[in-house]
Amino acid sequence: GAVVSQHPSWVICKSGTSVKIECRSLDFQATTMFWYRQFPKQSLMLMATSNEGSKATYEQGVEKDKFLINHASLTLSTLTVTSAHPEDSSFYICSAKRDISTGELFFGEGSRLTVL
Amino acid sequence: QQQVKQSPQSLIVQKGGISIINCAYENTAFDYFPWYQQFPGKGPALLIAIRPDVSEKKEGRFTISFNKSAKQFSLHIMDSQPGDSATYFCAAGKGGGNKLTFGTGTQLKVEL
Repeated sequence: GAVVSQHPSWVICKSGTSVKIECRSLDFQATTMFWYRQFPKQSLMLMATSNEGSKATYEQGVEKDKFLINHASLTLSTLTVTSAHPEDSSFYICSAKRDISTGELFFGEGSRLTVL
Repeated sequence: QQQVKQSPQSLIVQKGGISIINCAYENTAFDYFPWYQQFPGKGPALLIAIRPDVSEKKEGRFTISFNKSAKQFSLHIMDSQPGDSATYFCAAGKGGGNKLTFGTGTQLKVEL
């Protein structure tokens, strides 16, 4: 099956710093990728839809200046958590929709962010 | 109207038994209903998915039953094994964009 890779898988940073998380579709092109946030023992909450070559579409309540998304190529989307604070600590998961697809989404392994 | 309600929150099943997880949705525009399996610290993996033009889909030990009129769908895991112990999420999406709305998750434990 198709593979989506996230990097880093875990990161610890100090409060006030910025952290970048990468999401790559390794063996397929993905014009559209999605970023989710998941708190412990809770469901996945969609943060934003990342579109190659255009601005991301953010869900209601998600600060676009806080969570910067860049989809510079058909295989890479990045999420940058700017000026991170402890409340931003979470599990961030991306998914990618294969451009030639029956509709299946492929998820990355997730990135655990801990802000001290 | 975007919610997907999932039950039960947790489930314990004996090895060899049948695990059943239920979901209900409100938005009739949804036309894609996948189930995902997630192990701790990992991303979700697609198990099986169904579209509303069929009432049942089976893949190995996993079966989705879909009731369009009731706006409900369920996952049945036959011959449940300890390795099936994980959190299961139902989801619903519409159109080709695959913007999914996830259920709240069910933590399944299969005991020996």
